[in-house]
Amino acid sequence: DTGVSQDPRHKITKRGQNVTFRCDPISEHNRLYWYRQTLGQGPEFLTYFQNEAQLEKSRLLSDRFSAERPKGSFSTLEIQRTEQGDSAMYLCASSLGLPLGDEQFFGPGTRLTVL
Amino acid sequence: GDSVTQMEGPVTLSEEAFLTINCTYTATGYPSLFWYVQYPGEGLQLLLKATKADDKGSNKGFEATYRKETTSFHLEKGSVQVSDSAVYFCAPLYNQGGKLIFGQGTELSVKP
Repeated sequence: DTGVSQDPRHKITKRGQNVTFRCDPISEHNRLYWYRQTLGQGPEFLTYFQNEAQLEKSRLLSDRFSAERPKGSFSTLEIQRTEQGDSAMYLCASSLGLPLGDEQFFGPGTRLTVL
Repeated sequence: GDSVTQMEGPVTLSEEAFLTINCTYTATGYPSLFWYVQYPGEGLQLLLKATKADDKGSNKGFEATYRKETTSFHLEKGSVQVSDSAVYFCAPLYNQGGKLIFGQGTELSVKP
């Protein structure tokens, strides 16, 4: 089992550009989560999926953000018209989901820098 | 809304000292409680968990007990090592396996 993987690990972009991140969860994990972490802070929840269904979205997730999990396996997070305030570490996590297990396992993250 | 409060850091200790990092959470529902650790340059790792009142989670010499009456989940270790230097996050899990709510993190630095 290879754990949660994320791609790319680093992304530098100019303000106004669109970016897309990918997350591959642990195989057989039904739930997939996206969080955002800024320097010196704890991660903040963005959204999560149960299989391909998006069950909850944070109010932090503006209209410029969209996430998908089309086949219930990998997920993508797209940010349109990036702003400097979007610079952060974007974390993906997965879990089996209750009642099997609610532990979330995190990937290494994608660090986004918006110039 | 749901929230968690952690002891502010940084915490600096000498090797073999006793560690306590305080964590309290809002008592909405009956969350599972987690401690995560982030070592320098690495991703978040699950350290330990507890799912009901009076449960004690433990791992790598760290312990935390789910205290419903005080809505607390303090992290303790009897004798810290330099390798324990990291940022520690307390995180309740609400809504039956939905989102984790993270504290701001407590940085621990252990000196030889």
